[in-house]
Amino acid sequence: DVKVTQSSRYLVKRTGEKVFLECVQDMDHENMFWYRQDPGLGLRLIYFSYDVKMKEKGDIPEGYSVSREKKERFSLILESASTNQTSMYLCVSTPGSGNTEAFFGQGTRLTVV
Amino acid sequence: SQQGEEDPQALSIQEGENATMNCSYKTSINNLQWYRQNSGRGLVHLILIRSNEREKHSGRLRVTLDTSKKSSSLLITASRAADTASYFCATARSGNTGKLIFGQGTTLQVKP
Repeated sequence: DVKVTQSSRYLVKRTGEKVFLECVQDMDHENMFWYRQDPGLGLRLIYFSYDVKMKEKGDIPEGYSVSREKKERFSLILESASTNQTSMYLCVSTPGSGNTEAFFGQGTRLTVV
Repeated sequence: SQQGEEDPQALSIQEGENATMNCSYKTSINNLQWYRQNSGRGLVHLILIRSNEREKHSGRLRVTLDTSKKSSSLLITASRAADTASYFCATARSGNTGKLIFGQGTTLQVKP
């Protein structure tokens, strides 16, 4: 059974904290994505990685950075958490050309207080 | 900028009626995918249509793709109350790296 695993289901962090969200996939997929989902706004792409150490900004990268040191792991970093980063964060992976369905992690509900 | 944009944003129909929702996009794509999300749950893959395909069926679902107009439609026939959900299109950018962009979604309510 294919798996995309996010390190936390729920997180509560304080404003100004540095936050790490981890995602691991066991399918040897080239592509990994971080999205945030907010009501009425759909899934918005934060960052995309198509290979180890390769990344591309999505539509809303401000306030975020990413790291992909190993193929199976893609980390999202909130450098200094703010309340407007309270959201559901979804990690997704797909193989190289993306010609299959996407595989989703279970999501991390982050609350910044 | 939004790649996949759904239309309408919300749709309310009676059970048994057909529901049609549309998705427009801007760049060249490898494929277009439709997903369903029930309230409070994760996204479920419904159907994938490749850029060289024009129509695809799966049960009560029919998807069309018009690459000249950069648009797709999802038709749900004989809708049921259980079809109540949000529906998202997602486009995989053409090329070797399948950058995947989701739209804002259409919220469908099917009244019994």
